[in-house]
Amino acid sequence: NAGVTQTPKFQVLKTGQSMTLQCAQDMNHNSMYWYRQDPGMGLRLIYYSASEGTTDKGEVPNGYNVSRLNKREFSLRLESAAPSQTSVYFCASLQREYNGYTFGSGTRLTVV
Amino acid sequence: AQSVTQLDSQVPVFEEAPVELRCNYSSSVSVYLFWYVQYPNQGLQLLLKYLSGSTLVESINGFEAEFNKSQTSFHLRKPSVHISDTAEYFCAVTVPGSSNTGKLIFGQGTTLQVKP
Repeated sequence: NAGVTQTPKFQVLKTGQSMTLQCAQDMNHNSMYWYRQDPGMGLRLIYYSASEGTTDKGEVPNGYNVSRLNKREFSLRLESAAPSQTSVYFCASLQREYNGYTFGSGTRLTVV
Repeated sequence: AQSVTQLDSQVPVFEEAPVELRCNYSSSVSVYLFWYVQYPNQGLQLLLKYLSGSTLVESINGFEAEFNKSQTSFHLRKPSVHISDTAEYFCAVTVPGSSNTGKLIFGQGTTLQVKP
């Protein structure tokens, strides 16, 4: 089915470990985004890529890095995980602002 | 900068009763407004959107939202809710135009709990 695919769906990390969250879309969208969702705080933008070859910081970029590997794929890396990064991470893609985002199903990350 | 405030964190309501989920935004320029719904353990789905024109917009499953520019609000309503409407609802805003790069600003979310 067409859409945004995120892997893994669940992950438990120990403090200090690293990992990469993968995101791929097959809708030929130009823009891709990473958000984190925390209770009572809604969704906050971590990083985004307005087009292939560009990436920019969002509201909460500290502790994260991203790579726009090609037009389809946009990965999020945690170099040294901290308990404060325990969250649900969502990837989204966008073709036109008036269409709204298409979201992936999320990655639930726990850092212990 | 833009911001979104959802005035209620939780809204409990009985089945078949009406409901209103409140959303206020702040912006000095014209915006696009969206409501997203998140069912348990799922991603977010677009429910409805306001871009321009008619201030009342509707979704296919009976929700509607009214854009009020003077009150900077975009409240979501449904005249009769079902158990299946139990979910978290997010209001979001974006500023159209290339300089914003499509970034959405989300409110804190409102959990709608429909009771039998």
